[in-house]
Amino acid sequence: QSALTQPASVSGSPGQSITISCTGTSSDVGGYKYVSWYQHHPGKAPKVMIYEVSNRPSGVSNRFSGSKSGNTASLTISGLQAEDEADYYCASYTSSDTVLFGGGTKLTVL
Amino acid sequence: EVQLVESGGGLVQPGGSLKLSCAASGFTFSASTMHWVRQASGKGLEWIGRIRNKGNNYATTYSAAVKGRFTFSRDDSKNTAYLQMNSLKSEDTAVYYCTRGGDGLDYWGQGALVTVSS
Repeated sequence: QSALTQPASVSGSPGQSITISCTGTSSDVGGYKYVSWYQHHPGKAPKVMIYEVSNRPSGVSNRFSGSKSGNTASLTISGLQAEDEADYYCASYTSSDTVLFGGGTKLTVL
Repeated sequence: EVQLVESGGGLVQPGGSLKLSCAASGFTFSASTMHWVRQASGKGLEWIGRIRNKGNNYATTYSAAVKGRFTFSRDDSKNTAYLQMNSLKSEDTAVYYCTRGGDGLDYWGQGALVTVSS
């Protein structure tokens, strides 16, 4: 099963907004509400930023938001800050009762 | 405070075996589904499977990459999950994370490095 498709990299200046896409199929992203997003700083544990497409865990900044349209989910970060620079991964439940991650997107804050 | 602490990583020869432990605290481990995720150097996160709770008969699911070689287990009396890895290959070299399935994968350990090399 191939990874969900994410752009390899995105960048933005402080204060700007960026969006990271995550494209799958009707057997994963398009078929379920169980899409989540993770922030991963190298050498640290990943952190869930969005779960069930658009829900934000307690403690996660409201600058992070998620959405889905068809087979593509999106993570938007508004008001970019230097500390947002990290790798971001989407993940989805699949029709095979597994979890599938995206290939990851490196966010650079210019 | 929630903690997941992996242990048991190290260097192992191809074809060898290794068992990782994931000790949990700060949440109701026995009610939780525990997942395992790995990351090879320079690569992305890869889900390798899960073990459900007692109410779900400790059901396990494995990714195609590890099915038949890896085994998940748990000891709820010790709040610990285990990953038994057999017939290890060089491509299994990675940092292995245990993580709880809650609102997304909401709690993560710090990871255990497994290196498969002769």
